[in-house]
Amino acid sequence: SQQGEEDPQALSIQEGENATMNCSYKTSINNLQWYRQNSGRGLVHLILIRSNEREKHSGRLRVTLDTSKKSSSLLITASRAADTASYFCATIKAAGNKLTFGGGTRVLVKP
Amino acid sequence: GAVVSQHPSWVICKSGTSVKIECRSLDFQATTMFWYRQFPKQSLMLMATSNEGSKATYEQGVEKDKFLINHASLTLSTLTVTSAHPEDSSFYICSARGQGNEQFFGPGTRLTVL
Repeated sequence: SQQGEEDPQALSIQEGENATMNCSYKTSINNLQWYRQNSGRGLVHLILIRSNEREKHSGRLRVTLDTSKKSSSLLITASRAADTASYFCATIKAAGNKLTFGGGTRVLVKP
Repeated sequence: GAVVSQHPSWVICKSGTSVKIECRSLDFQATTMFWYRQFPKQSLMLMATSNEGSKATYEQGVEKDKFLINHASLTLSTLTVTSAHPEDSSFYICSARGQGNEQFFGPGTRLTVL
């Protein structure tokens, strides 16, 4: 079973708008990571947030982590057509070394 | 960031044949490599974890005799899909991890079994 579940499964927005997607997980984690995947391509690592961190920024990306709720969110501000992709959260368990992926959110940014 | 390559990027084969996919870490030594499978519009599912010089650890439900993994060096792991069938058609992605926590992903290999 998957450690992370994401919502929404799909998101369609206009260029310039913000996109927010959420990830929930089940067990204690060491860290949580977000990845982007363009159609039929490999994964691009976006950001890693450790279990003792609550918020992290990278360019137009903002990630939050709430370990009490076992959830994380990824916000993409001022979206661009090039942001169209699938976004996955992935977790490494507290005593583990394997990345477990959520179901992903397919984001479509319309020009 | 570190670079991981996969070869081939796509392959079409006949049912019953075996296919080998290579995963290489180009500028770092990967103590651990991971193999994932991804079906269309789905997430990545971990198949197995391999450490250099030791046997791979397979996830539940993954047949080790069908998906042979070899991690003979710190920069190369191979996945061989033996006696491939159409249901094995999928996108196979490897990742490699060095000394740190971060995993670097290859570009994937699309396997189509006719």
